[in-house]
Amino acid sequence: AQSVTQLDSQVPVFEEAPVELRCNYSSSVSVYLFWYVQYPNQGLQLLLKYLSGSTLVKGINGFEAEFNKSQTSFHLRKPSVHISDTAEYFCAVSVFGTQGGSEKLVFGKGTKLTVNP
Amino acid sequence: GAVVSQHPSWVICKSGTSVKIECRSLDFQATTMFWYRQFPKQSLMLMATSNEGSKATYEQGVEKDKFLINHASLTLSTLTVTSAHPEDSSFYICSASEKRGRARLTYEQYFGPGTRLTVT
Repeated sequence: AQSVTQLDSQVPVFEEAPVELRCNYSSSVSVYLFWYVQYPNQGLQLLLKYLSGSTLVKGINGFEAEFNKSQTSFHLRKPSVHISDTAEYFCAVSVFGTQGGSEKLVFGKGTKLTVNP
Repeated sequence: GAVVSQHPSWVICKSGTSVKIECRSLDFQATTMFWYRQFPKQSLMLMATSNEGSKATYEQGVEKDKFLINHASLTLSTLTVTSAHPEDSSFYICSASEKRGRARLTYEQYFGPGTRLTVT
């Protein structure tokens, strides 16, 4: 079974500082990886995804993530954060189905990013 | 594009009553819809997966008779919480995805804004 571990439940950072949110996954098969952001009382918005190809993935709002197969990691980074980046961030993994069914997403527990002035 | 709506955005109901939550894909055909539940400060837990025109597949531990899911069309899925109790109070989020073409490509899930259910 697949699982996702987000190592930090909370990450406080000052505005304009860089940030890295860590994500590790476990799976015995190939996976697809996603990062979502959730603002208070809202649904999830996709930041970026890794399906195949280049291991460095660029997403919206200046975020990027690097897929590292040997370390089974997919850490999210931003070189300079803004107050508006304060939100909950979820890493998720889906497994390519062997049949025509739908792939399910398995989420990590989330990391609360707080950007302070 | 790829907008998913949920209605209502919040609802308060009395214990023992039933409440229906709608999930709509506004600009695409959702071959599959997913229902999640999220407790405060916790992650999303998948409750069930529904494909249009077929019965929903429930995750282990989710009572199918309590959480009725209907996916009658390619743009609408409903979740009905029957005989709701205070412990059913939660944030319910749906997502929808579409399978594009014949290629078995993984496809993105588009999330609705969520429905806050409070059972008193």
